[in-house]
Amino acid sequence: DAGVIQSPRHEVTEMGQEVTLRCKPISGHDYLFWYRQTMMRGLELLIYFNNNVPIDDSGMPEDRFSAKMPNASFSTLKIQPSEPRDSAVYFCASSGQGYTTGELFFGEGSRLTVL
Amino acid sequence: QKEVEQNSGPLSVPEGAIASLNCTYSDRVSQSFFWYRQYSGKSPELIMSIYSNGDKEDGRFTAQLNKASQYVSLLIRDSQPSDSATYLCAVNRGYSTLTFGKGTMLLVSP
Repeated sequence: DAGVIQSPRHEVTEMGQEVTLRCKPISGHDYLFWYRQTMMRGLELLIYFNNNVPIDDSGMPEDRFSAKMPNASFSTLKIQPSEPRDSAVYFCASSGQGYTTGELFFGEGSRLTVL
Repeated sequence: QKEVEQNSGPLSVPEGAIASLNCTYSDRVSQSFFWYRQYSGKSPELIMSIYSNGDKEDGRFTAQLNKASQYVSLLIRDSQPSDSATYLCAVNRGYSTLTFGKGTMLLVSP
């Protein structure tokens, strides 16, 4: 089975530009998470969805960040406008009924560099 | 106070030795605890979970939990160079999401 698929793997953009990161969760998983990882702050939860519905977006840094999950097989994380401090690796993760076991399946990540 | 704290390392051990990784958490209502391994440039993967006080063994890995002291540890016996990675401690408070520590880098030298 395919794992969590993220795109793009690498993105370099200039400050002020819009960035869209994409994620395809594992088929059948009903939880989807967006995390951001930096050296300074570690792995931080931004937002998560259950059955395509956003449940907790308290980790979204500010209004420049938005996330959608239009269907069970696709989610986007958008940053508009981007700033240098948004540079990080953004991970998408999914989990099924086994979520209570704490097992998240992570994608390979999207490394974002904002110049 | 940070919710999940780990020493950033690096923790350096020779091949064949026991590596001991530690984690403390602040929320007493935390119910379940996890260790993820992250190789450089890769994504985290779950390697151990523990829910009750005591030890849980899986192959060369042993997770230890002490809820009274709010302390979780991971022991890796017979460490191998392939164990060199960052180990992330994660805590679940019984609902919704995991909170991760920043991780401890482990270096196993041949």
